[in-house]
Amino acid sequence: RKEVEQDPGPFNVPEGATVAFNCTYSNSASQSFFWYRQDCRKEPKLLMSVYSSGNEDGRFTAQLNRASQYISLLIRDSKLSDSATYLCVVNMNTDKLIFGTGTRLQVFP
Amino acid sequence: ETGVTQSPTHLIKTRGQQVTLRCSSQSGHNTVSWYQQALGQGPQFIFQYYREEENGRGNFPPRFSGLQFPNYSSELNVNALELDDSALYLCASTLVPGMNTEAFFGQGTRLTVV
Repeated sequence: RKEVEQDPGPFNVPEGATVAFNCTYSNSASQSFFWYRQDCRKEPKLLMSVYSSGNEDGRFTAQLNRASQYISLLIRDSKLSDSATYLCVVNMNTDKLIFGTGTRLQVFP
Repeated sequence: ETGVTQSPTHLIKTRGQQVTLRCSSQSGHNTVSWYQQALGQGPQFIFQYYREEENGRGNFPPRFSGLQFPNYSSELNVNALELDDSALYLCASTLVPGMNTEAFFGQGTRLTVV
């Protein structure tokens, strides 16, 4: 079983749609959780950290459920510029980041 | 931009050859990690260097080796290249290891082994 599992997609959604990505992790000792965004042929960039209390940054909302070992990302009012691969990432507090395979999002006009 | 720079950006090597990839970390960051990203996959942790010492290693064979220099720049060396080594190699720098701090990635080196 992979340490971090994501649906690879692609998710094809129209502009303005709301889309949700899910991710599960296998190691209950995981300490930190993130969503990274990766554009085609570019490096990953931190989108947001994920906390048990949930956190929101504009149109983006991330949620962590430690009991279910489940992480989510919600994107509201999708823009064309949101088209990218979204990587779910966990950290064992060693700076070794464990990435999922990524979920590809394509927003169309 | 992140301030993490990698060189070269692209490289083509022949199976069996050796390659050295380079990374300059963000100013003030003393921890560098290397990742391998195969096509369609997420990045996989290779190893981490902290203050010139290896500080953790992923599931990669010994022909993957590294160095960190006093200025915190780093090298990744791969010997006896195999076709499956073709991937995007990313380095990431963080302020210190073991803390929930943001990792800043370089733009990567795309290695093709033929």
